[in-house]
Amino acid sequence: QSVLTQPPSASGTPGQRVTISCSGSRSNFGSNNVYWYQQLPGTAPKLLIYRNNQRPSGVPDRFSASKSGTSASLAIRGLRSEDEADYYCASWDDSLGVWVFGGGTKVTVL
Amino acid sequence: EVQLLESGGGLVKPGGSLRISCVVSGGTFSDYAMSWIRQAPGKGLEWVSGISSSSGSTYYADSVKGRFTVSRDNFKNTLYLQMDSLRAADTAVYYCAKDYANTKWGQGTLVTVSS
Repeated sequence: QSVLTQPPSASGTPGQRVTISCSGSRSNFGSNNVYWYQQLPGTAPKLLIYRNNQRPSGVPDRFSASKSGTSASLAIRGLRSEDEADYYCASWDDSLGVWVFGGGTKVTVL
Repeated sequence: EVQLLESGGGLVKPGGSLRISCVVSGGTFSDYAMSWIRQAPGKGLEWVSGISSSSGSTYYADSVKGRFTVSRDNFKNTLYLQMDSLRAADTAVYYCAKDYANTKWGQGTLVTVSS
């Protein structure tokens, strides 16, 4: 059971907009930044979003994220086949004193 | 560009020990906090341990506290994870990652604990 809660799957057709939610608590999202990672099949994870809504250089602006209170979301606009991957949210948890990850959401492009 | 390369994974019996390493190139290793994150086969990500840039602070998940030790050698640009009293549940791909925000990841090294 992950500390952060994500839906196990999401899907859309090419060009559609897909949104992934992540639910936390006051001890993580409530006082710390949210990060999102993308893991393409058979590869290592890659940082997709940092500090709630910032994109590292090289990440397309089709990817956006937001945080409100103890919830966060990642949106993929103009879905493409290469976006098929697992997506994880993460944050530092002040109560546990560790980094916590969501269980991951598998995005399928139909 | 910063690159991370893990090594040292392998097959070990329950109760055994293993040390894995992560060499960092292309940046100033001594400036970075570092983390270890693992992924059991077919499962999600689990943060294992973190260490500050100067080794002054170390952090562990409850699942490995007292059994794993993180360390670093800033002269060799290398991060280590000493794993003792290994259990089947420790079987996973172990990734090293740069910064507490895990801004850059290595390709991972597989640790299998089995008799």
